[in-house]
Amino acid sequence: DAGVTQSPTHLIKTRGQHVTLRCSPISGHKSVSWYQQVLGQGPQFIFQYYEKEERGRGNFPDRFSARQFPNYSSELNVNALLLGDSALYLCASSFTGTGTYEQYFGPGTRLTVT
Amino acid sequence: EDQVTQSPEALRLQEGESSSLNCSYTVSGLRGLFWYRQDPGKGPEFLFTLYSAGEEKEKERLKATLTKKESFLHITAPKPEDSATYLCAVQAGSSYKLIFGSGTRLLVRP
Repeated sequence: DAGVTQSPTHLIKTRGQHVTLRCSPISGHKSVSWYQQVLGQGPQFIFQYYEKEERGRGNFPDRFSARQFPNYSSELNVNALLLGDSALYLCASSFTGTGTYEQYFGPGTRLTVT
Repeated sequence: EDQVTQSPEALRLQEGESSSLNCSYTVSGLRGLFWYRQDPGKGPEFLFTLYSAGEEKEKERLKATLTKKESFLHITAPKPEDSATYLCAVQAGSSYKLIFGSGTRLLVRP
């Protein structure tokens, strides 16, 4: 079975630009979460979506937004990019968004802002 | 504030030399503790979920245990292919997010 897929793999953008990252969850999974991981640190929670509704938002500015589509895929959008947004962006898929559940991560999108 | 701390930050072992990684947590209402393995430039790979104190899980050379304040990941007779960063995360209270520690970078030399 295919795991979580993310696109693109790598991306280089200039300060002030906008970026869209995409994620397809494991087949049958209805929840997608987004995390940001900077070098040497653990992933930091950005958003969670379950059944197309936002279930949680981390401590990130309003420049970050996301949505989930009817097929449960998701997009993460970042506006007005800053140098500090350079990181590995991870998408995690889970069957449910309630209770206690394992989250399975994709390979990530490496974003570099110059 | 919910917090997860992992130690040591880095660990070098000789092949076959067993050791343990520590994950201590301060959270309100632990619902689950998760261990992941992460190779450089890749996404975390799920290893274990532990739900309550006293629980243990094993997979090949890895064994995870949980107490009320911390979790240990025991690595028995490690091989070079076990070299990776091991991440610990918790889910707590009414939150849906995972709270991660900074990880332990493990290097196993042949």
